[in-house]
Amino acid sequence: DIQMTQSPSTLSASVGDRVTITCRASQSIDSWLAWYQQKPGKAPKLLIYKASSLESGVPSRFSGSGSGTEFTLTISSLQPDDFATYHCQQYNSYPWTFGQGTKVEIK
Amino acid sequence: QVQLVESGGDLVKPGGSLRLSCAASGFSFSDYYMSWIRQAPGKGLEWVSYISGTSYTTYADSVKGRFTISRDNPKNSLYLQMNSLRAGDTAVYYCARHRNLVVPPNVWGKGTTVTVSS
Repeated sequence: DIQMTQSPSTLSASVGDRVTITCRASQSIDSWLAWYQQKPGKAPKLLIYKASSLESGVPSRFSGSGSGTEFTLTISSLQPDDFATYHCQQYNSYPWTFGQGTKVEIK
Repeated sequence: QVQLVESGGDLVKPGGSLRLSCAASGFSFSDYYMSWIRQAPGKGLEWVSYISGTSYTTYADSVKGRFTISRDNPKNSLYLQMNSLRAGDTAVYYCARHRNLVVPPNVWGKGTTVTVSS
C-alpha cells in the first residue's frame, strides 16, 4: 500500500497568514492526489484534485502543487472559515490511502 | 440537489453484524462508482470498499471476507453488509460517489456511526 505522510500534524496560524501543508507519498503517484477540508462532525469536502485542479466552487485562495511523491496545499490568505483539518489522498492505485490529517488552528 | 444520506449505524457487540445503507438523490446513480470510507474516532480516513455501476467490487484487506458492498440501482441505494465486527471497525462510515477510478470522491454523505463494543 502507498503510505501518505502529512506535515505538520498541527499548524497554528492567524487570519491573513499564508499557510502551506505538505504531503509525501511512499512511491510515485504522478499527479493522482486530492486534498480535502474537514470540519468537526462534518464530512470531508473536496478542494483540489489531480494535485493542482481546483474543485468547482472552492475559493481561489486554495491552491495545490507537486507531482511524483511531494505535494503541497497552500492557502494564500487564511480566512476564519478555513480553520479545519486537511487531508491528502492518493488515488493512483487501490487501496486508496489518506494522510493522517493536518489541523489548522487559530494562533 | 445531489445528496447522499447514510443510515444503519448502531452499537453492536464484537462478532455481530450490521447493514449500512446510503440513499442517493439528485444524480444518475447508476452512472457513478460508489465507495465506503470510514474514520475511526480521532483518526484519519480509511477507504473500505468501492463498487462500480455494474457491481464490480474491491475491498480493503482489513475488511475483505467480512464486509460486502452492494447496490440497487433502481432504488438509488448503496449498502454495506458488515459481519464478524471487531472493535477496530468502530468508526463513522461515509458513502461517497466518484465518476470513475481516476477521480476522487466529490460528494460525501454526512456519515453514520458504528460502535463495536461489549
